[in-house]
Amino acid sequence: ELKVEQNPLFLSMQEGKNYTIYCNYSTTSDRLYWYRQDPGKSLESLFVLLSNGAVKQEGRLMASLDTKARLSTLHITAAVHDLSATYFCAPNTGNQFYFGTGTSLTVIP
Amino acid sequence: DSGVTQTPKHLITATGQRVTLRCSPRSGDLSVYWYQQSLDQGLQFLIQYYNGEERAKGNILERFSAQQFPDLHSELNLSSLELGDSALYFCASSVDRPHTGELFFGEGSRLTVL
Repeated sequence: ELKVEQNPLFLSMQEGKNYTIYCNYSTTSDRLYWYRQDPGKSLESLFVLLSNGAVKQEGRLMASLDTKARLSTLHITAAVHDLSATYFCAPNTGNQFYFGTGTSLTVIP
Repeated sequence: DSGVTQTPKHLITATGQRVTLRCSPRSGDLSVYWYQQSLDQGLQFLIQYYNGEERAKGNILERFSAQQFPDLHSELNLSSLELGDSALYFCASSVDRPHTGELFFGEGSRLTVL
């Protein structure tokens, strides 16, 4: 079974700062998804990374995928309070999704 | 709005009871996934159906069962409930490959077992 490790698990950062969340996974996966979850709410799709070297950006978030290194990153630029949420990566093989433990991000004014 | 509908949104019941959670996938999505999210266990995959057939099974207890009907809606049945079954249960649907294949999640059903 594919194992997924996200780090950090908890991240507290000041507004305006930059930071990167890492998602490592154990076996081959050719695509990966990032989701955001606000407390008590559903999961919202952020990025779909469909191939090695894929990079997607939306606002202050940028995601990348290196399938050879089995690594995806979610980079946060100039964080704002609205980005406070839990972020999950989910590598995909076939039609199976393997969710990481999530990174709980708190942006402090 | 993801297009995935789950009912009920909240459910409070007692230990030993049985409940049924319902999910209607997005129009056109053939796959339905069920996940359990509790505070100490993260997001746990339970089971997947594709066009009425079970496709994959995850960490689903024997007390739990699911099915997908011809109209593609799905139900998750939880029986002999225990306190530890209290969690948020998500249904998600996807259109599968070769499309982007991303999961679209419903709002969840919050189950509280007292």
